[in-house]
Amino acid sequence: YVLTQPPSVSVAPGQTASITCGGDDIGSKSVHWYQQRPGQAPVLVVFDDSDRPSGIPERFSGSNSGNTATLTLTRVEAGDEADYYCHVWDSSSDHVVFGGGTKLTVL
Amino acid sequence: QLQLQESGPGLVKPSETLSLTCTVSGGSISSSSYYWGWIRQPPGKGLEWIGSIYYSGSTYYNPSLKSRVTISVDTSKNQFSLKLSSVTAADTAVYYCARDIGAVGTSEFDSWGQGTLVTVSA
Repeated sequence: YVLTQPPSVSVAPGQTASITCGGDDIGSKSVHWYQQRPGQAPVLVVFDDSDRPSGIPERFSGSNSGNTATLTLTRVEAGDEADYYCHVWDSSSDHVVFGGGTKLTVL
Repeated sequence: QLQLQESGPGLVKPSETLSLTCTVSGGSISSSSYYWGWIRQPPGKGLEWIGSIYYSGSTYYNPSLKSRVTISVDTSKNQFSLKLSSVTAADTAVYYCARDIGAVGTSEFDSWGQGTLVTVSA
C-alpha cells in the first residue's frame, strides 16, 4: 500500500496550508499525521483522520475521504515549518505505512 | 509523563547485527492498551516502520525487513529491543522507538523517543 505526499508545500505566514496524502480508498482507513522539526523526533498532531491530541492547537485539522486525506494548518506561523508525515495501517498485509513526507516552508 | 529512551552502539560493521534497546519510564510496558514500535529514518529521508510488539510478545514486522528483524520485550526491565541482522550501509539511520496507542498495533504513535543514530561502516 502506497501513500503519496507532495514533496513540498509553501505558504505565507497567516495563510492556510493544505498537505495531502493520497492512497487507494484511503477514506476507509484511519489516517494519522506527524510533525517533525529538524533534528527532532516526530510529534503526533492529528489522529484518526481529524482528532487532535491534547496540546495541539486548533489550527491543525484533518479530513479524509475517497482517495485523499488532508492535513490543514490555518493561520500558519513560522514555527509550523517542518516535515509532515501521514500514516495508516494496511490491513491487507498487516503493517504500518508512512507517506514520503512533505516539507512545509513558511515564506 | 511517559518517556522512551533508545540505547545501543552508534556504529555497527557491515554484515553484523544491529542491537538497540528502548527503555520505557513513566508507564508500564505491560499495559494491555499499547503496542511498542521501532521506526527508522535514513539521513535526509522519510520514516520507515520496522515493526511493533505487544507485552505478550505478539509482533508485526515490515515485510521488507522481516527476514532480518527480531523485536523482543522484557517486561521485568520495562524494555523492548530490536535486532537487525546482516546490516549494510543502507541500514544507516536514526532509529526511534515509540508507543502505539492501540491494543492491536494498528493505531497512532503518540509518544516517541529522541532517536539514536546508527551508522553502518567498517
